[in-house]
Amino acid sequence: GENVEQHPSTLSVQEGDSAVIKCTYSDSASNYFPWYKQELGKGPQLIIDIRSNVGEKKDQRIAVTLNKTAKHFSLHITETQPEDSAVYFCAAANSGGYQKVTFGIGTKLQVIP
Amino acid sequence: ETGVTQTPRHLVMGMTNKKSLKCEQHLGHNAMYWYKQSAKKPLELMFVYSLEERVENNSVPSRFSPECPNSSHLFLHLHTLQPEDSALYLCASSHPTANYGYTFGSGTRLTVV
Repeated sequence: GENVEQHPSTLSVQEGDSAVIKCTYSDSASNYFPWYKQELGKGPQLIIDIRSNVGEKKDQRIAVTLNKTAKHFSLHITETQPEDSAVYFCAAANSGGYQKVTFGIGTKLQVIP
Repeated sequence: ETGVTQTPRHLVMGMTNKKSLKCEQHLGHNAMYWYKQSAKKPLELMFVYSLEERVENNSVPSRFSPECPNSSHLFLHLHTLQPEDSALYLCASSHPTANYGYTFGSGTRLTVV
């Protein structure tokens, strides 16, 4: 089955700096890569996703990149703000039938004001 | 509110009790999922229902019993649980055949005493 590795497990940045979270996956059949943000007391929330036919996607201060050859994908947050503090999960899925998503272990991001 | 509602938010139960977790969505999704979230572990997929049929059961102990009476409701029936079953139980829903990500509920924090 699919295996998703995520690092770092914790990340502290100063407000205004950039944060980068990296993931690798093992199953070359995976073709959908969502990222989720989980705030305290809440369930994970989808913040951005990328499909295998795209190398990069941007939405305001967040961007994701995908290298299918190397089976790497990354989340980039620029101009970080205190409200970006949360746990971020990467995931990989195969679009066949219902979604079977494999999650990374999560990265706890702390943005220091 | 994400559109996926889980009740109760918190549950404390003894090892000999029987209880049920409830999940409800009115997003028009027809795939629903139960995940277990424990500290320092990736999200663990427990059960998947697609079009009201169980399509995945990831070696979950029989003390957890899912039920999906219709495409909007999902239950997790619990009996004779163990302390190691204490965790956050998350429900999610999605379109089954298109990768648009999950919508998660806020979870039920379960403590087994």
